[in-house]
Amino acid sequence: SQQGEEDPQALSIQEGENATMNCSYKTSINNLQWYRQNSGRGLVHLILIRSNEREKHSGRLRVTLDTSKKSSSLLITASRAADTASYFCATVPYSSASKIIFGSGTRLSIRP
Amino acid sequence: NAGVTQTPKFQVLKTGQSMTLQCAQDMNHNSMYWYRQDPGMGLRLIYYSASEGTTDKGEVPNGYNVSRLNKREFSLRLESAAPSQTSVYFCASSERGDSPSGNTEAFFGQGTRLTVV
Repeated sequence: SQQGEEDPQALSIQEGENATMNCSYKTSINNLQWYRQNSGRGLVHLILIRSNEREKHSGRLRVTLDTSKKSSSLLITASRAADTASYFCATVPYSSASKIIFGSGTRLSIRP
Repeated sequence: NAGVTQTPKFQVLKTGQSMTLQCAQDMNHNSMYWYRQDPGMGLRLIYYSASEGTTDKGEVPNGYNVSRLNKREFSLRLESAAPSQTSVYFCASSERGDSPSGNTEAFFGQGTRLTVV
């Protein structure tokens, strides 16, 4: 089974609303990353949060990490049509800092 | 600066045929990865190479072999293709997680869409 599980699997919101996606993982991590994938394309890195960090911001993105609960959330504020994509969390295990294990993803649709 | 380049982009194989997917990166990264992505699902790690000269199994290695030819190139071989290996294959590269910069952001190729009939 995959290290990360995302919730919800699919999310549809109105343009301008905020979107929140959650990720849970199983083992201790070195860091956790979020990626975006547009349909039919490769993945693009969005943001990385280290195990000793609790919150990180990048533009309209806010990521939180709770290592005690082994969970992370990605918040996209003021959503735009261009944010329509699949979003994946990925963990770098503490035991193997060269591995990157992906979750199952959240499909985000922004309604105009 | 091309980043990560995968070839071919599309391939159709008959069951039992073999083929090699090629991947090259020009970012001087130590680590390279092969993933597969099935429809509507996340990426599953097939094999990875933490550095030149080393390879390790990922989550779903059965039916695949890899070669880290040099620091730039990491190939994935299907010795006897099966319909269950129909998927989109992604190659990626990154610095090591314990590198001084601590940056393990992965850069992805555009994928190889493989169909086994």
